[in-house]
Amino acid sequence: KAGVTQTPRYLIKTRGQQVTLSCSPISGHRSVSWYQQTPGQGLQFLFEYFSETQRNKGNFPGRFSGRQFSNSRSEMNVSTLELGDSALYLCASSLSPGVVQETQYFGPGTRLLVL
Amino acid sequence: AQSVTQLGSHVSVSEGALVLLRCNYSSSVPPYLFWYVQYPNQGLQLLLKYTSAATLVKGINGFEAEFKKSETSFHLTKPSAHMSDAAEYFCAVRSASGGGADGLTFGKGTHLIIQP
Repeated sequence: KAGVTQTPRYLIKTRGQQVTLSCSPISGHRSVSWYQQTPGQGLQFLFEYFSETQRNKGNFPGRFSGRQFSNSRSEMNVSTLELGDSALYLCASSLSPGVVQETQYFGPGTRLLVL
Repeated sequence: AQSVTQLGSHVSVSEGALVLLRCNYSSSVPPYLFWYVQYPNQGLQLLLKYTSAATLVKGINGFEAEFKKSETSFHLTKPSAHMSDAAEYFCAVRSASGGGADGLTFGKGTHLIIQP
C-alpha cells in the first residue's frame, strides 16, 4: 500500500505571496492532519480534516487554512507569507479521527522557504 | 492542557551501548503516548505507542518504552545501539477532548548520535 504523499517536496516563495500544499493520504484513510515543524517551535499541530470538515484546529493565525476533498485528499493554504512561515509542513493520515490511540502515518513533508 | 518534555536535545552513545531517551509528560486526563523517529529529509515513523493495555511497550527496531504513571514518564530504551539508529526522536502525547481526539503534542526532540 502506498504511503502518504505530499507535493511539492520543496518550495520557495517570497513574502506576501500565498502557497498551496497538497497531501494524499494512505488509501482508505479518511482523516488528514497537518503539522508545522520549525527549529525554534518544533512540531506543532495545525488542523485536522475528516469527511471534508475541519474537526480540530491548533493555535495558528487565520492565514493558515485547509480543505479536504471527497477522495480524502487535502490541501493547506498559507496566505500573505511571512519569513517565519519557513518550515517543514508534514501531513499525516489515519483511518478515523475519533480514536485517540490510533496511529497517524506521516508523509515526507513539504519544505517551504520564504524569502 | 497537555505537554511533553524531552530531557537532552542531544544524546551520544557508543555503538553497542544502551540507548536511553527521556520523556516526561503532563496531562490532565489519561494520556496516550507515542515515540516517533525522523531520519534526515524524511517524515516521522512510529516506533511504538502506549495505549494503557500494558506498561511495557515493545516497538520496532528493538526499541521499547515503559509507562510509569507515578513518575509521569515514558522513556525510550534500546539495549544495544546500532549506527542506523542515528536520527531525531520525538515523544508525543494525545488525549481526547469533547469532540474526539486532539492533535499530537510533541516534545522538542532528541538527536541521537551513535559513536563508532
